[in-house]
Amino acid sequence: DAGVIQSPRHEVTEMGQEVTLRCKPISGHNSLFWYRQTMMRGLELLIYFNNNVPIDDSGMPEDRFSAKMPNASFSTLKIQPSEPRDSAVYFCASRRDSGNTEAFFGQGTRLTVV
Amino acid sequence: AQSVTQLDSQVPVFEEAPVELRCNYSSSVSVYLFWYVQYPNQGLQLLLKYLSGSTLVKGINGFEAEFNKSQTSFHLRKPSVHISDTAEYFCAVSPDYNNNDMRFGAGTRLTVKP
Repeated sequence: DAGVIQSPRHEVTEMGQEVTLRCKPISGHNSLFWYRQTMMRGLELLIYFNNNVPIDDSGMPEDRFSAKMPNASFSTLKIQPSEPRDSAVYFCASRRDSGNTEAFFGQGTRLTVV
Repeated sequence: AQSVTQLDSQVPVFEEAPVELRCNYSSSVSVYLFWYVQYPNQGLQLLLKYLSGSTLVKGINGFEAEFNKSQTSFHLRKPSVHISDTAEYFCAVSPDYNNNDMRFGAGTRLTVKP
């Protein structure tokens, strides 16, 4: 398996622009997570889905952030409009519910908002 | 909700020395505990996990951790480190009834010097 695939790996955008981050989970995994990593806050859970349904979005910082999972093999995290303080590395992870398996992480998207 | 405190943000050690990375957690319910490692420009990968049973857990790359319920700790140890162990290490906790709700500590940067 190719693992969790995130795109793009790097994104530089201007303040006010819309940014869309993409994630393809591992096939057969039914939980998907979006995390944000910054020096100040460390690794924060933004939202997670189970069987394509958002379960907990309490970590989403503002209404400017939205996430979707239209099917089992694809998820997006959108920021509109983006701000410089959104600059961070965004990780997607997935896991299979059965068997107490661990979450597998993608390589992350480094977002820079200028 | 559960939370994790990693007491040391940076740990410098010399090659072949032993190392301990400290992790304490807070939770009102029974938990699962994890250690992940992040190499530069990579996502997180699982080192080891405690779900139940023996409190001493062995993981990959010669690492082990001990779950201590009375002290609410899950410290990571390695008897002899290598240069290649230089990385960021994250402790994580989830409630045992919902291991999708995983919370991470701030991370400890381990630097192994020759």
